[in-house]
Amino acid sequence: KAGVTQTPRYLIKTRGQQVTLSCSPISGHRSVSWYQQTPGQGLQFLFEYFSETQRNKGNFPGRFSGRQFSNSRSEMNVSTLELGDSALYLCASSLAGASTDTQYFGPGTRLTVL
Amino acid sequence: GNSVTQMEGPVTLSEEAFLTINCTYTATGYPSLFWYVQYPGEGLQLLLKATKADDKGSNKGFEATYRKETTSFHLEKGSVQVSDSAVYFCALSGRSGSARQLTFGSGTQLTVLP
Repeated sequence: KAGVTQTPRYLIKTRGQQVTLSCSPISGHRSVSWYQQTPGQGLQFLFEYFSETQRNKGNFPGRFSGRQFSNSRSEMNVSTLELGDSALYLCASSLAGASTDTQYFGPGTRLTVL
Repeated sequence: GNSVTQMEGPVTLSEEAFLTINCTYTATGYPSLFWYVQYPGEGLQLLLKATKADDKGSNKGFEATYRKETTSFHLEKGSVQVSDSAVYFCALSGRSGSARQLTFGSGTQLTVLP
Protein backbone atom coordinates (compact mmCIF):
# COMPACT_ATOMS: atom_id res chain seq x y z
CA LYS A 1 0.00 0.00 0.00
CA ALA A 2 1.38 3.39 -0.94
CA GLY A 3 2.30 5.71 1.91
CA VAL A 4 1.36 9.31 2.51
CA THR A 5 2.58 11.55 -0.27
CA GLN A 6 3.14 15.29 -0.11
CA THR A 7 3.78 17.74 -2.91
CA PRO A 8 5.82 19.68 -3.52
CA ARG A 9 8.78 18.51 -1.44
CA TYR A 10 10.48 21.90 -1.47
CA LEU A 11 9.19 25.43 -1.91
CA ILE A 12 10.82 28.84 -1.84
CA LYS A 13 8.57 31.87 -1.49
CA THR A 14 8.95 35.51 -0.56
CA ARG A 15 7.23 37.40 2.23
CA GLY A 16 3.66 38.36 1.45
CA GLN A 17 3.05 35.56 -1.02
CA GLN A 18 0.71 32.67 -0.44
CA VAL A 19 1.35 28.95 -0.77
CA THR A 20 -0.67 25.76 -1.12
CA LEU A 21 0.62 22.38 -0.01
CA SER A 22 -0.94 19.08 -0.96
CA CYS A 23 -1.27 15.76 0.85
CA SER A 24 -2.55 12.41 -0.38
CA PRO A 25 -3.33 10.01 2.49
CA ILE A 26 -2.97 6.25 2.57
CA SER A 27 -5.80 4.61 0.70
CA GLY A 28 -8.75 4.06 3.02
CA HIS A 29 -7.65 6.63 5.57
CA ARG A 30 -10.23 9.32 6.21
CA SER A 31 -8.44 11.52 8.73
CA VAL A 32 -5.69 13.91 7.70
CA SER A 33 -3.71 16.06 10.11
CA TRP A 34 -1.13 18.75 9.48
CA TYR A 35 1.87 19.63 11.66
CA GLN A 36 4.50 22.33 11.49
CA GLN A 37 8.07 21.44 12.49
CA THR A 38 10.63 24.13 13.30
CA PRO A 39 13.90 23.99 15.25
CA GLY A 40 12.61 26.50 17.78
CA GLN A 41 9.04 25.32 18.37
CA GLY A 42 9.35 21.65 17.51
CA LEU A 43 6.31 19.80 16.19
CA GLN A 44 3.05 21.69 16.48
CA PHE A 45 -0.42 20.63 15.44
CA LEU A 46 -2.12 22.78 12.82
CA PHE A 47 -5.47 21.11 12.09
CA GLU A 48 -7.23 17.84 11.41
CA TYR A 49 -9.80 16.97 8.78
CA PHE A 50 -12.20 14.07 8.67
CA SER A 51 -14.79 13.51 5.96
CA GLU A 52 -14.17 16.98 4.51
CA THR A 53 -14.79 18.67 7.89
CA GLN A 54 -12.24 20.36 10.11
CA ARG A 55 -12.54 18.66 13.49
CA ASN A 56 -9.65 20.18 15.40
CA LYS A 57 -7.52 23.26 15.04
CA GLY A 58 -4.27 24.18 16.73
CA ASN A 59 -3.17 27.57 17.92
CA PHE A 60 -2.19 29.16 14.62
CA PRO A 61 -3.37 32.43 13.05
CA GLY A 62 -6.12 32.53 10.48
CA ARG A 63 -3.53 32.83 7.68
CA PHE A 64 -3.23 29.06 7.98
CA SER A 65 -6.16 27.23 6.48
CA GLY A 66 -6.92 23.89 4.95
CA ARG A 67 -9.49 21.72 3.33
CA GLN A 68 -10.20 18.12 2.53
CA PHE A 69 -11.73 16.71 -0.59
CA SER A 70 -14.17 13.84 -0.99
CA ASN A 71 -11.30 11.46 -1.83
CA SER A 72 -9.65 12.42 1.51
CA ARG A 73 -6.84 14.33 -0.16
CA SER A 74 -6.06 17.51 1.71
CA GLU A 75 -4.52 20.87 1.04
CA MET A 76 -3.26 23.52 3.38
CA ASN A 77 -2.84 27.15 2.47
CA VAL A 78 -0.76 29.85 4.07
CA SER A 79 -1.50 33.40 3.02
CA THR A 80 0.62 36.52 3.49
CA LEU A 81 3.74 34.52 4.24
CA GLU A 82 6.08 35.65 6.99
CA LEU A 83 9.71 34.72 7.57
CA GLY A 84 8.66 32.72 10.62
CA ASP A 85 6.55 30.42 8.45
CA SER A 86 9.71 28.76 7.17
CA ALA A 87 9.35 25.19 8.36
CA LEU A 88 8.85 21.57 7.47
CA TYR A 89 5.12 20.94 7.04
CA LEU A 90 4.13 17.37 7.73
CA CYS A 91 0.92 15.68 6.81
CA ALA A 92 -0.28 12.55 8.59
CA SER A 93 -3.17 10.23 7.87
CA SER A 94 -5.02 7.70 9.98
CA LEU A 95 -8.05 5.49 9.55
CA ALA A 96 -10.49 7.61 11.55
CA GLY A 97 -8.44 9.92 13.72
CA ALA A 98 -9.20 8.05 16.93
CA SER A 99 -6.69 8.48 19.75
CA THR A 100 -5.60 4.85 19.42
CA ASP A 101 -5.09 5.09 15.66
CA THR A 102 -1.57 5.33 14.35
CA GLN A 103 -0.89 8.47 12.37
CA TYR A 104 1.30 7.79 9.34
CA PHE A 105 3.43 10.69 8.21
CA GLY A 106 4.48 11.84 4.79
CA PRO A 107 8.00 13.07 3.98
CA GLY A 108 6.99 16.69 4.43
CA THR A 109 7.18 19.88 2.42
CA ARG A 110 10.11 22.12 3.23
CA LEU A 111 8.96 25.74 2.92
CA THR A 112 11.51 28.54 2.88
CA VAL A 113 10.28 32.12 3.07
CA LEU A 114 12.75 34.79 1.95
CA GLY B 1 -3.70 20.75 28.45
CA ASN B 2 -1.62 17.80 27.32
CA SER B 3 2.16 17.95 27.41
CA VAL B 4 5.16 15.67 26.90
CA THR B 5 8.57 16.11 28.50
CA GLN B 6 11.42 14.31 26.87
CA MET B 7 15.02 13.80 27.81
CA GLU B 8 17.22 16.50 26.37
CA GLY B 9 19.80 15.50 23.83
CA PRO B 10 21.98 15.01 22.09
CA VAL B 11 22.82 11.49 23.19
CA THR B 12 25.98 9.84 21.90
CA LEU B 13 26.57 6.12 22.42
CA SER B 14 28.95 3.48 21.20
CA GLU B 15 27.59 0.62 19.15
CA GLU B 16 26.08 -2.18 21.30
CA ALA B 17 25.52 0.17 24.25
CA PHE B 18 22.22 0.25 26.16
CA LEU B 19 19.83 3.06 25.32
CA THR B 20 17.26 4.78 27.51
CA ILE B 21 15.39 7.92 26.47
CA ASN B 22 13.10 9.22 29.20
CA CYS B 23 9.60 10.48 28.46
CA THR B 24 6.96 11.69 30.90
CA TYR B 25 3.57 13.12 30.11
CA THR B 26 0.72 15.17 31.49
CA ALA B 27 -2.77 14.42 30.24
CA THR B 28 -6.29 14.03 31.48
CA GLY B 29 -7.79 10.60 31.21
CA TYR B 30 -6.01 7.78 29.45
CA PRO B 31 -4.02 8.92 26.43
CA SER B 32 -2.38 6.71 23.85
CA LEU B 33 1.41 6.95 23.78
CA PHE B 34 3.78 6.75 20.83
CA TRP B 35 7.44 6.83 19.90
CA TYR B 36 8.29 8.14 16.47
CA VAL B 37 11.69 8.27 14.78
CA GLN B 38 12.88 10.79 12.21
CA TYR B 39 15.84 10.17 9.95
CA PRO B 40 17.56 13.12 8.22
CA GLY B 41 15.46 14.62 5.46
CA GLU B 42 12.48 12.38 6.14
CA GLY B 43 9.12 12.47 7.87
CA LEU B 44 8.26 10.66 11.06
CA GLN B 45 8.01 6.89 11.26
CA LEU B 46 6.10 5.12 13.99
CA LEU B 47 8.47 3.09 16.12
CA LEU B 48 6.02 1.69 18.68
CA LYS B 49 2.88 2.55 20.58
CA ALA B 50 0.81 1.63 23.62
CA THR B 51 -2.83 2.45 24.10
CA LYS B 52 -3.50 1.51 27.73
CA ALA B 53 -1.75 1.29 31.06
CA ASP B 54 0.86 -1.51 31.44
CA ASP B 55 0.91 -2.14 27.70
CA LYS B 56 4.38 -2.71 26.29
CA GLY B 57 5.09 -1.55 22.78
CA SER B 58 8.02 -3.12 20.94
CA ASN B 59 9.60 -3.00 17.51
CA LYS B 60 13.08 -3.57 16.03
CA GLY B 61 14.53 -4.24 19.50
CA PHE B 62 13.06 -1.07 21.00
CA GLU B 63 10.62 -1.29 23.90
CA ALA B 64 8.55 1.08 26.00
CA THR B 65 6.01 0.38 28.75
CA TYR B 66 3.02 2.61 29.49
CA ARG B 67 3.34 3.41 33.21
CA LYS B 68 0.30 5.29 34.43
CA GLU B 69 1.49 5.51 38.03
CA THR B 70 4.60 7.42 36.99
CA THR B 71 3.07 8.94 33.82
CA SER B 72 6.04 7.69 31.84
CA PHE B 73 6.82 5.92 28.56
CA HIS B 74 10.59 5.51 28.51
CA LEU B 75 12.20 4.11 25.35
CA GLU B 76 14.84 1.37 25.75
CA LYS B 77 17.02 -0.75 23.52
CA GLY B 78 19.50 -3.28 24.73
CA SER B 79 22.12 -2.91 22.01
CA VAL B 80 22.09 0.07 19.65
CA GLN B 81 23.47 0.06 16.13
CA VAL B 82 24.92 2.83 13.99
CA SER B 83 21.74 2.67 11.89
CA ASP B 84 19.71 3.74 14.96
CA SER B 85 21.17 7.23 14.71
CA ALA B 86 18.16 9.54 14.33
CA VAL B 87 15.89 11.88 16.25
CA TYR B 88 13.34 10.20 18.53
CA PHE B 89 10.04 11.81 19.50
CA CYS B 90 7.70 10.78 22.28
CA ALA B 91 4.06 11.73 21.67
CA LEU B 92 0.61 11.31 23.13
CA SER B 93 -2.88 11.41 21.76
CA GLY B 94 -5.77 12.31 24.03
CA ARG B 95 -9.05 10.45 24.08
CA SER B 96 -11.52 12.91 22.72
CA GLY B 97 -12.24 16.19 21.06
CA SER B 98 -9.44 18.69 20.72
CA ALA B 99 -7.13 16.46 22.76
CA ARG B 100 -7.10 13.85 20.03
CA GLN B 101 -4.23 15.37 18.06
CA LEU B 102 -0.65 14.27 18.69
CA THR B 103 1.29 16.30 21.25
CA PHE B 104 5.03 15.81 20.85
CA GLY B 105 8.06 16.08 23.06
CA SER B 106 11.00 18.16 21.90
CA GLY B 107 12.86 15.23 20.40
CA THR B 108 16.13 13.52 21.34
CA GLN B 109 18.98 13.35 18.85
CA LEU B 110 20.76 10.00 19.09
CA THR B 111 24.17 9.39 17.52
CA VAL B 112 25.65 5.90 17.62
CA LEU B 113 29.38 5.62 16.96
CA PRO B 114 30.96 2.48 15.50
